[in-house]
Amino acid sequence: RKEVEQDPGPFNVPEGATVAFNCTYSNSASQSFFWYRQDCRKEPKLLMSVYSSGNEDGRFTAQLNRASQYISLLIRDSKLSDSATYLCVVTAASGGSYIPTFGRGTSLIVHP
Amino acid sequence: NAGVTQTPKFQVLKTGQSMTLQCAQDMNHNSMYWYRQDPGMGLRLIYYSASEGTTDKGEVPNGYNVSRLNKREFSLRLESAAPSQTSVYFCASRMASGQPQHFGDGTRLSIL
Repeated sequence: RKEVEQDPGPFNVPEGATVAFNCTYSNSASQSFFWYRQDCRKEPKLLMSVYSSGNEDGRFTAQLNRASQYISLLIRDSKLSDSATYLCVVTAASGGSYIPTFGRGTSLIVHP
Repeated sequence: NAGVTQTPKFQVLKTGQSMTLQCAQDMNHNSMYWYRQDPGMGLRLIYYSASEGTTDKGEVPNGYNVSRLNKREFSLRLESAAPSQTSVYFCASRMASGQPQHFGDGTRLSIL
């Protein structure tokens, strides 16, 4: 089982739709969680951190479920500009350091 | 704000040639990372440096060496390039284990 797994998609949705992605992780001792956005193999850019209580940033909501070991990203009122690949990142201890592990990404296509 | 700067942005090498990819950050971050990204494989960690003076292997270190020259700079060296090392290479840095990483805009490397 991979450490961090994401459905690769693509998720193909119309403008204005609500779409949700999940990301599962295998290490129960994982400590910090993030969602990144990546456009056309440009560099990943931080979208938002994920907190235990859940957090919201405009149209984006992130949730953490430690019991079931997954994080989620909800995008409301999708825009054409939301089309991108969304990467989840989970940080867990490894040999005394905390190493971020990336999922392979979920592709989102928003169409008119 | 420069953030994380990678040089060069593009490079074509012949099999067996060597080269060094440079990365510098101006955010006073403690940890630095080198990733490669191949289609369908996501970001894979090559080497990381948790703090100045330390380096450790990641998931795919074979064929690479690194140097943490000082707190700002972390270089990646290919001693004898192979076609399998054709990829996009990203450097990243972060302040501490609970913080998100910041990425450079990548080096596109082709080995013929």
